[in-house]
Amino acid sequence: GQNIDQPTEMTATEGAIVQINCTYQTSGFNGLFWYQQHAGEAPTFLSYNVLDGLEEKGRFSSFLSRSKGYSYLLLKELQMKDSASYLCAVQTGFQKLVFGTGTRLLVSP
Amino acid sequence: DTEVTQTPKHLVMGMTNKKSLKCEQHMGHRAMYWYKQKAKKPPELMFVYSYEKLSINESVPSRFSPECPNSSLLNLHLHALQPEDSALYLCASSQDGVGNQPQHFGDGTRLSIL
Repeated sequence: GQNIDQPTEMTATEGAIVQINCTYQTSGFNGLFWYQQHAGEAPTFLSYNVLDGLEEKGRFSSFLSRSKGYSYLLLKELQMKDSASYLCAVQTGFQKLVFGTGTRLLVSP
Repeated sequence: DTEVTQTPKHLVMGMTNKKSLKCEQHMGHRAMYWYKQKAKKPPELMFVYSYEKLSINESVPSRFSPECPNSSLLNLHLHALQPEDSALYLCASSQDGVGNQPQHFGDGTRLSIL
């Protein structure tokens, strides 16, 4: 089976830093994606990791440790518009993406 | 606005109706996907088309029938659905599904079965 776990909900304050964790146990691994999804909208691509280490993209960074089956998404200088669900997704095979349980982030003033 | 367009945005149908969901992309992508998403849950893969051929069917009931008429279009034909099929249906596309190519999602069709 495929297990991809994330915290259900997190809260943070505007301007702060938040780290959203993702742990996975999957039958295959071809890379890990992070998506953002606002309520009622399409998921939008944030980042991709296939090698161990940190990928930085503006206010967003993503980290991967393949040996530990662990990734995190780091959001800096939080803004109100960052309130959304954040989805970790593992590419388990050719064209096959399995999503984690998702984390709802609420940013307060 | 997304680069993947889905119609209709909302659909209400009875259990005996036949309807179709449509998805269109003009990014030259050769892989297209259907996902089902229930409220407060992550998307679940249903079907994948690669170069207009069905490459993955995640054991989806036959009351859902996908079709890929050409490289830009993807349809999902619905017949005799059950109330538990009420969900958001998301279409996505990627270059050809290999490696680091992200999937681009449409805004979805919100389907309600009466």
